[in-house]
Amino acid sequence: SQKIEQNSEALNIQEGKTATLTCNYTNYSPAYLQWYRQDPGRGPVFLLLIRENEKEKRKERLKVTFDTTLKQSLFHITASQPADSATYLCALASGTYKYIFGTGTRLKV
Amino acid sequence: NAGVTQTPKFQVLKTGQSMTLQCAQDMNHNSMYWYRQDPGMGLRLIYYSASEGTTDKGEVPNGYNVSRLNKREFSLRLESAAPSQTSVYFCASSVTGREGYTFGSGTRLTVV
Repeated sequence: SQKIEQNSEALNIQEGKTATLTCNYTNYSPAYLQWYRQDPGRGPVFLLLIRENEKEKRKERLKVTFDTTLKQSLFHITASQPADSATYLCALASGTYKYIFGTGTRLKV
Repeated sequence: NAGVTQTPKFQVLKTGQSMTLQCAQDMNHNSMYWYRQDPGMGLRLIYYSASEGTTDKGEVPNGYNVSRLNKREFSLRLESAAPSQTSVYFCASSVTGREGYTFGSGTRLTVV
């Protein structure tokens, strides 16, 4: 069955350093991959979308890579700030409408 | 502010009771979704509506029904609530289904 794996352990990063979060998937060939941020008690907030034919996407201090050979996406936050502390979710879809979400990784800066 | 509005924010039900969760968006999005989020399980798709007038099952549809009332509104109904339906429910919308989703703030439902 399709499976998305995100590190369930919290990631602790020193302020100013680059945080790198990993999203691995199996038994799946996604065409789209998204990253969301979720704060406690709130709904997820969309950050970035990357397509299967794109290797990298950037937005301000955020960078996402998508390696369809390794079946992996990396999410980087440069110059981390305490305000970046949250849970980050990845989501994948092979077509439209049916995104599958990972369980998320909690980041603490 | 534009976005997705969910009501109620909190609800406690007794086993066997019914209720409807309401969701409305004012961004003129075509696609709407209902997810549930449980600890350690991530977000799971219950039902979605690709466009006004259509609805389809997601990953965990059993025990739920939906209605796409119009382009703005998408409701989720629990006909006979069970403790296994205790969860946080999120409604989301997107322009066509491929782009980033806009989520509501969630409904925390407890079934006792």
